[in-house]
Amino acid sequence: AQSVTQPDIHITVSEGASLELRCNYSYGATPYLFWYVQSPGQGLQLLLKYFSGDTLVQGIKGFEAEFKRSQSSFNLRKPSVHWSDAAEYFCAVNNNNDMRFGAGTRLTVKP
Amino acid sequence: DSGVTQTPKHLITATGQRVTLRCSPRSGDLSVYWYQQSLDQGLQFLIQYYNGEERAKGNILERFSAQQFPDLHSELNLSSLELGDSALYFCASSVQLAGGNTGELFFGEGSRLTVL
Repeated sequence: AQSVTQPDIHITVSEGASLELRCNYSYGATPYLFWYVQSPGQGLQLLLKYFSGDTLVQGIKGFEAEFKRSQSSFNLRKPSVHWSDAAEYFCAVNNNNDMRFGAGTRLTVKP
Repeated sequence: DSGVTQTPKHLITATGQRVTLRCSPRSGDLSVYWYQQSLDQGLQFLIQYYNGEERAKGNILERFSAQQFPDLHSELNLSSLELGDSALYFCASSVQLAGGNTGELFFGEGSRLTVL
């Protein structure tokens, strides 16, 4: 069955530390890939997307993600986390108009 | 501001009642999606409309229905409400890419429904 997996429910990092949030998918073909961020009480905001081409994509707020076809992964990274990055992060996959979201990873940032 | 407008932002009602949530998509977007977000179920896809026609259906209960009107706004109707229907309901709209696939979704700020 087609699925999107975010293995980490909750991650805590110190401010200024690097961050990597994992996302794996199970689809036959290469789907369109997205990362969204949701702050408390807010809607989901698109951080970045991958459709084709360069497998390292840059997004807003200093985030980047790398598509690795061999691992069916699309991990989100940030070199130095800011306290304002504390939020819930969702990976999403669109395969032929079937848009699915992972369960989300909650990021806590320690001072 | 995503350009997607949802009303009302908050709604409190009683079990057994019926409510209607409204969504205006971004200008030019033909697709509208509805999602339910609750603490125990995460973000659940309910239904998608494209240019007035139902395109995909997810985990939408029979007590729930939706439609997209000619001006492309959409309404989600929730009836015979139960305590478990308390959740955030999001609407999203998207562009259609060349080849017919859907691009990224743009989300509204949600309608928070509380059923007492």
